[in-house]
Amino acid sequence: TQLLEQSPQFLSIQEGENLTVYCNSSSVFSSLQWYRQEPGEGPVLLVTVVTGGEVKKLKRLTFQFGDARKDSSLHITAAQPGDTGLYLCAGGGRAGNMLTFGGGTRLMVKP
Amino acid sequence: DAGVIQSPRHEVTEMGQEVTLRCKPISGHNSLFWYRQTMMRGLELLIYFNNNVPIDDSGMPEDRFSAKMPNASFSTLKIQPSEPRDSAVYFCASSLLSTGILYQETQYFGPGTRLLVL
Repeated sequence: TQLLEQSPQFLSIQEGENLTVYCNSSSVFSSLQWYRQEPGEGPVLLVTVVTGGEVKKLKRLTFQFGDARKDSSLHITAAQPGDTGLYLCAGGGRAGNMLTFGGGTRLMVKP
Repeated sequence: DAGVIQSPRHEVTEMGQEVTLRCKPISGHNSLFWYRQTMMRGLELLIYFNNNVPIDDSGMPEDRFSAKMPNASFSTLKIQPSEPRDSAVYFCASSLLSTGILYQETQYFGPGTRLLVL
Protein backbone atom coordinates (compact mmCIF):
# COMPACT_ATOMS: atom_id res chain seq x y z
CA THR A 1 0.00 0.00 0.00
CA GLN A 2 1.37 3.39 -0.98
CA LEU A 3 1.18 6.02 1.74
CA LEU A 4 1.99 9.71 1.75
CA GLU A 5 2.66 11.48 5.01
CA GLN A 6 2.42 15.23 5.24
CA SER A 7 3.95 17.44 7.88
CA PRO A 8 3.08 19.49 9.69
CA GLN A 9 -0.60 18.69 9.96
CA PHE A 10 -1.42 22.19 11.18
CA LEU A 11 0.43 25.47 10.76
CA SER A 12 -0.54 28.92 11.97
CA ILE A 13 1.73 31.79 11.02
CA GLN A 14 1.74 35.55 10.66
CA GLU A 15 1.49 37.31 7.33
CA GLY A 16 4.93 37.76 5.78
CA GLU A 17 6.50 34.64 7.26
CA ASN A 18 7.96 31.81 5.19
CA LEU A 19 6.95 28.18 5.57
CA THR A 20 7.67 24.73 4.18
CA VAL A 21 5.30 21.77 3.98
CA TYR A 22 6.65 18.26 3.50
CA CYS A 23 5.23 15.20 1.78
CA ASN A 24 7.07 11.92 2.35
CA SER A 25 6.70 8.31 1.32
CA SER A 26 8.66 5.08 1.14
CA SER A 27 7.15 4.47 -2.31
CA VAL A 28 8.19 5.85 -5.66
CA PHE A 29 5.61 7.85 -7.57
CA SER A 30 5.50 8.64 -11.28
CA SER A 31 4.29 12.14 -10.49
CA LEU A 32 3.50 14.27 -7.48
CA GLN A 33 0.74 16.82 -7.37
CA TRP A 34 -0.12 19.57 -4.91
CA TYR A 35 -3.70 20.69 -4.41
CA ARG A 36 -5.17 23.50 -2.34
CA GLN A 37 -8.61 23.24 -0.83
CA GLU A 38 -10.55 26.20 0.53
CA PRO A 39 -13.47 25.84 2.95
CA GLY A 40 -16.63 24.59 1.26
CA GLU A 41 -14.89 23.71 -1.97
CA GLY A 42 -13.12 20.79 -3.57
CA PRO A 43 -9.34 20.57 -3.97
CA VAL A 44 -7.84 22.50 -6.87
CA LEU A 45 -4.61 21.51 -8.57
CA LEU A 46 -1.66 23.86 -8.02
CA VAL A 47 1.16 22.01 -9.75
CA THR A 48 2.38 18.64 -11.02
CA VAL A 49 6.02 17.52 -10.86
CA VAL A 50 7.14 14.44 -12.75
CA THR A 51 10.94 14.39 -12.81
CA GLY A 52 13.18 13.57 -9.85
CA GLY A 53 14.79 16.78 -8.60
CA GLU A 54 12.34 18.96 -10.48
CA VAL A 55 11.61 22.42 -9.08
CA LYS A 56 8.60 24.46 -10.12
CA LYS A 57 7.69 27.97 -9.06
CA LEU A 58 4.25 29.48 -8.95
CA LYS A 59 4.60 33.10 -7.84
CA ARG A 60 5.54 32.84 -4.13
CA LEU A 61 5.15 29.04 -4.08
CA THR A 62 8.09 26.74 -4.82
CA PHE A 63 7.53 23.01 -5.32
CA GLN A 64 10.26 20.40 -5.36
CA PHE A 65 10.17 16.70 -6.20
CA GLY A 66 12.79 14.58 -4.48
CA ASP A 67 15.55 13.00 -6.54
CA ALA A 68 14.20 9.52 -5.81
CA ARG A 69 10.60 10.61 -6.49
CA LYS A 70 9.52 9.56 -3.01
CA ASP A 71 9.07 12.96 -1.43
CA SER A 72 8.17 16.54 -2.18
CA SER A 73 8.10 19.93 -0.52
CA LEU A 74 6.11 23.11 -0.89
CA HIS A 75 7.73 26.36 0.21
CA ILE A 76 5.74 29.58 0.51
CA THR A 77 7.59 32.87 0.71
CA ALA A 78 6.03 35.86 2.46
CA ALA A 79 2.75 34.10 3.21
CA GLN A 80 -0.46 36.07 2.82
CA PRO A 81 -3.92 35.53 4.34
CA GLY A 82 -5.10 34.39 0.89
CA ASP A 83 -2.77 31.39 1.20
CA THR A 84 -4.93 30.01 4.01
CA GLY A 85 -6.32 26.59 3.22
CA LEU A 86 -5.72 22.86 3.22
CA TYR A 87 -2.73 21.76 1.16
CA LEU A 88 -2.79 18.20 -0.14
CA CYS A 89 -0.06 16.28 -1.89
CA ALA A 90 -1.01 13.39 -4.15
CA GLY A 91 1.14 10.73 -5.75
CA GLY A 92 0.45 9.29 -9.19
CA GLY A 93 1.42 6.01 -10.76
CA ARG A 94 -1.30 3.69 -9.56
CA ALA A 95 -3.51 1.83 -11.97
CA GLY A 96 -5.27 4.05 -14.41
CA ASN A 97 -5.01 7.57 -13.11
CA MET A 98 -5.73 7.01 -9.46
CA LEU A 99 -3.93 9.19 -6.96
CA THR A 100 -2.73 8.54 -3.42
CA PHE A 101 -3.48 11.57 -1.26
CA GLY A 102 -1.59 12.66 1.81
CA GLY A 103 -3.38 13.63 5.00
CA GLY A 104 -3.07 17.34 4.30
CA THR A 105 -1.55 20.40 5.96
CA ARG A 106 -4.01 22.94 7.26
CA LEU A 107 -2.45 26.40 6.94
CA MET A 108 -3.73 29.58 8.54
CA VAL A 109 -2.05 32.88 7.76
CA LYS A 110 -3.02 35.64 10.15
CA PRO A 111 -3.01 39.28 8.99
CA ASP B 1 -16.99 25.23 -19.44
CA ALA B 2 -18.86 23.75 -16.47
CA GLY B 3 -16.81 21.90 -13.94
CA VAL B 4 -17.84 18.80 -12.04
CA ILE B 5 -21.38 19.18 -10.76
CA GLN B 6 -22.58 17.52 -7.57
CA SER B 7 -25.98 17.44 -5.96
CA PRO B 8 -27.23 17.96 -3.41
CA ARG B 9 -24.70 20.32 -1.82
CA HIS B 10 -26.00 19.55 1.65
CA GLU B 11 -27.98 16.59 2.95
CA VAL B 12 -29.30 16.01 6.45
CA THR B 13 -30.99 12.69 7.08
CA GLU B 14 -31.83 10.33 9.86
CA MET B 15 -30.08 7.08 10.60
CA GLY B 16 -31.49 4.24 8.53
CA GLN B 17 -32.58 6.37 5.61
CA GLU B 18 -31.32 5.93 2.07
CA VAL B 19 -29.05 8.66 0.71
CA THR B 20 -28.24 9.18 -2.97
CA LEU B 21 -25.48 11.52 -4.07
CA ARG B 22 -25.21 12.58 -7.71
CA CYS B 23 -22.35 13.64 -9.93
CA LYS B 24 -21.99 14.97 -13.46
CA PRO B 25 -18.34 14.81 -14.59
CA ILE B 26 -16.65 17.21 -16.97
CA SER B 27 -17.69 16.47 -20.55
CA GLY B 28 -15.08 14.37 -22.34
CA HIS B 29 -13.50 12.97 -19.20
CA ASN B 30 -13.32 9.20 -19.04
CA SER B 31 -12.45 8.65 -15.39
CA LEU B 32 -14.59 9.34 -12.34
CA PHE B 33 -13.72 9.09 -8.68
CA TRP B 34 -15.79 9.21 -5.50
CA TYR B 35 -14.00 10.36 -2.34
CA ARG B 36 -15.01 10.83 1.27
CA GLN B 37 -13.34 13.48 3.43
CA THR B 38 -13.38 13.71 7.22
CA MET B 39 -11.15 15.49 9.69
CA MET B 40 -10.02 12.20 11.18
CA ARG B 41 -9.31 10.22 8.03
CA GLY B 42 -8.63 12.89 5.43
CA LEU B 43 -9.51 12.29 1.78
CA GLU B 44 -10.30 8.64 1.08
CA LEU B 45 -10.90 7.14 -2.34
CA LEU B 46 -14.08 5.11 -2.37
CA ILE B 47 -14.39 3.97 -5.97
CA TYR B 48 -12.88 4.66 -9.39
CA PHE B 49 -14.62 4.28 -12.76
CA ASN B 50 -12.97 4.28 -16.15
CA ASN B 51 -15.17 4.44 -19.25
CA ASN B 52 -18.20 3.88 -16.97
CA VAL B 53 -16.78 0.60 -15.62
CA PRO B 54 -15.85 0.26 -11.92
CA ILE B 55 -12.12 -0.42 -11.81
CA ASP B 56 -11.32 -0.25 -8.12
CA ASP B 57 -13.91 -0.31 -5.35
CA SER B 58 -11.59 -1.44 -2.58
CA GLY B 59 -12.25 1.79 -0.70
CA MET B 60 -15.99 1.26 -0.41
CA PRO B 61 -16.54 0.84 3.35
CA GLU B 62 -19.12 -1.91 3.30
CA ASP B 63 -22.14 -3.30 1.54
CA ARG B 64 -24.22 -0.33 2.58
CA PHE B 65 -22.35 1.71 -0.04
CA SER B 66 -22.92 1.27 -3.76
CA ALA B 67 -22.00 3.32 -6.81
CA LYS B 68 -23.16 3.30 -10.39
CA MET B 69 -22.19 5.02 -13.60
CA PRO B 70 -24.90 4.28 -16.18
CA ASN B 71 -23.38 6.62 -18.76
CA ALA B 72 -20.44 8.95 -19.28
CA SER B 73 -22.22 11.96 -17.89
CA PHE B 74 -23.75 10.69 -14.68
CA SER B 75 -22.83 8.76 -11.55
CA THR B 76 -24.49 8.05 -8.23
CA LEU B 77 -23.23 7.03 -4.82
CA LYS B 78 -25.86 5.43 -2.64
CA ILE B 79 -25.78 4.69 1.08
CA GLN B 80 -28.49 2.36 2.38
CA PRO B 81 -29.07 2.33 5.28
CA SER B 82 -27.17 5.41 6.40
CA GLU B 83 -25.44 5.61 9.78
CA PRO B 84 -24.10 8.58 11.80
CA ARG B 85 -20.50 7.50 11.07
CA ASP B 86 -21.20 8.12 7.37
CA SER B 87 -21.33 11.86 8.07
CA ALA B 88 -18.65 13.46 5.91
CA VAL B 89 -18.08 15.52 2.79
CA TYR B 90 -18.34 13.41 -0.34
CA PHE B 91 -16.47 14.55 -3.42
CA CYS B 92 -16.74 13.48 -6.99
CA ALA B 93 -13.78 14.11 -9.30
CA SER B 94 -13.23 13.48 -12.97
CA SER B 95 -10.13 13.11 -15.07
CA LEU B 96 -8.97 12.28 -18.57
CA LEU B 97 -6.87 9.15 -18.75
CA SER B 98 -4.52 9.22 -21.70
CA THR B 99 -1.60 7.01 -22.56
CA GLY B 100 1.81 7.99 -23.72
CA ILE B 101 5.27 8.58 -22.44
CA LEU B 102 4.07 11.18 -20.00
CA TYR B 103 0.58 11.62 -18.73
CA GLN B 104 -0.63 13.68 -15.87
CA GLU B 105 -3.52 12.49 -13.85
CA THR B 106 -5.02 15.83 -12.93
CA GLN B 107 -8.27 15.36 -11.12
CA TYR B 108 -10.99 18.00 -11.17
CA PHE B 109 -13.12 18.02 -8.08
CA GLY B 110 -16.71 19.03 -7.62
CA PRO B 111 -17.78 21.24 -4.71
CA GLY B 112 -18.76 18.24 -2.60
CA THR B 113 -21.88 17.07 -0.80
CA ARG B 114 -21.87 17.66 2.94
CA LEU B 115 -23.76 14.76 4.51
CA LEU B 116 -24.98 14.71 8.08
CA VAL B 117 -26.65 11.57 9.38
CA LEU B 118 -28.45 12.10 12.68
